[in-house]
Amino acid sequence: QLQLQESGPGLVKPSETLSLTCTVSGDSISRSSYYWGWIRQPPGKGLEWIGSISYSGKTYYNSSLNSRVTLSLDTSKTQFSLRLSSVTAADTAVYFCSREQITAVRGVIQWGQGTLVTVSS
Amino acid sequence: DIVLTQTPLSSPVTLGQPASISCRSSQSLVHSDGNTYLSWHQQRPGQPPRLLIYKISNRFSGVPDRFSGSGAGTDFTLQISRVEAEDVGVYYCMQTTQYPVTFGGGTKVEIK
Repeated sequence: QLQLQESGPGLVKPSETLSLTCTVSGDSISRSSYYWGWIRQPPGKGLEWIGSISYSGKTYYNSSLNSRVTLSLDTSKTQFSLRLSSVTAADTAVYFCSREQITAVRGVIQWGQGTLVTVSS
Repeated sequence: DIVLTQTPLSSPVTLGQPASISCRSSQSLVHSDGNTYLSWHQQRPGQPPRLLIYKISNRFSGVPDRFSGSGAGTDFTLQISRVEAEDVGVYYCMQTTQYPVTFGGGTKVEIK
């Protein structure tokens, strides 16, 4: 069964770059029917879509974060990554990686467990 | 961006009774391919969300049949026919018809 696991620093300083990795186990991330994405949830608040990346590396970003976000794929390691630059306290959130099925469902079908990232000096 | 508005914010329900959550979109969610990509996700306390319903009314694998979805265009509803203790949590609607993907603000289902 496919599993998603986020990893990365739990504390990032203001103005620095947040970097997270999602490791996929149990399947290939090169399947054409899936995209891979990131969603975040500030403490006690709702969900915000960050962006998605296709099996071929095509990216889609939330325009509110567009200039600060970079998603990438490493098929050899079955990992995909998120980089968010120039972070502020407003970027403190639980970050979830996700698997999106783009044919029948065309949406998120699986979520990682999530990892809390706090932005503080 | 498409705005999804959920009501109510909170829904106290007696065990065994039904619950209903509304999700209204600021514009039609009908895609150019004719499908409507509106899904519902459940987030139990301390857990990540999980997919319940996709394309308005399709139950995802393993989802109990007490959950059902309906609607069209801009108005959608998630119904739980008989609420059980394990249904406590926050429910989110999500649209993937158009980028950027957006979520409703969430509805908290709790037991009276």
